[in-house]
Amino acid sequence: EAGVAQSPRYKIIEKRQSVAFWCNPISGHATLYWYQQILGQGPKLLIQFQNNGVVDDSQLPKDRFSAERLKGVDSTLKIQPAKLEDSAVYLCASSLATSGSGNEQFFGPGTRLTVL
Amino acid sequence: QKEVEQDPGPLSVPEGAIVSLNCTYSNSAFQYFMWYRQYSRKGPELLMYTYSSGNKEDGRFTAQVDKSSKYISLFIRDSQPSDSATYLCAMTLSGSARQLTFGSGTQLTVLP
Repeated sequence: EAGVAQSPRYKIIEKRQSVAFWCNPISGHATLYWYQQILGQGPKLLIQFQNNGVVDDSQLPKDRFSAERLKGVDSTLKIQPAKLEDSAVYLCASSLATSGSGNEQFFGPGTRLTVL
Repeated sequence: QKEVEQDPGPLSVPEGAIVSLNCTYSNSAFQYFMWYRQYSRKGPELLMYTYSSGNKEDGRFTAQVDKSSKYISLFIRDSQPSDSATYLCAMTLSGSARQLTFGSGTQLTVLP
């Protein structure tokens, strides 16, 4: 079974530039999550999708971050404009379901963003 | 106060040692408790998953949950150099939206 795919793996940009990350979840997984992991901290949920609908985006800084999951499969996360404090690893995860035994979240390798 | 507190370490032990990793939490509504292992430049991978209080064993790993004390532990027996990683505790509320709340992670190094 193929895992969660993310690209790019690394990105360096200057502040005020825009950047986009892409995630392809495990086939058949209805739920997709984007997390931000700042160095030395645990992942923090930014947004959760169930199919192509948003379940929770309460911690997404909506003035600069946006995400979409068209057709309920792939997802993109965008930052525009980027700030220095956005430097982090952006992790995508997917799960079969949000309740019951299919709740386990499988994580991709992440995109490491450096904002200069 | 953070919802989940975890000693960041770093923790360094000799091969074969028993390792104890711990987290405390403040929200008594948490019902599901997990331990993730994260190797350098990789995403977290699920190690152990427990529901409510009690113990769960899987090979060299044992997870303990004490809801009365709001305290969870992960024990690693006969630790190996391949266990060197960051260990993250995570927990969720019951219900349909399983948002994980993570600890900050403990960096473990097992020396050969």
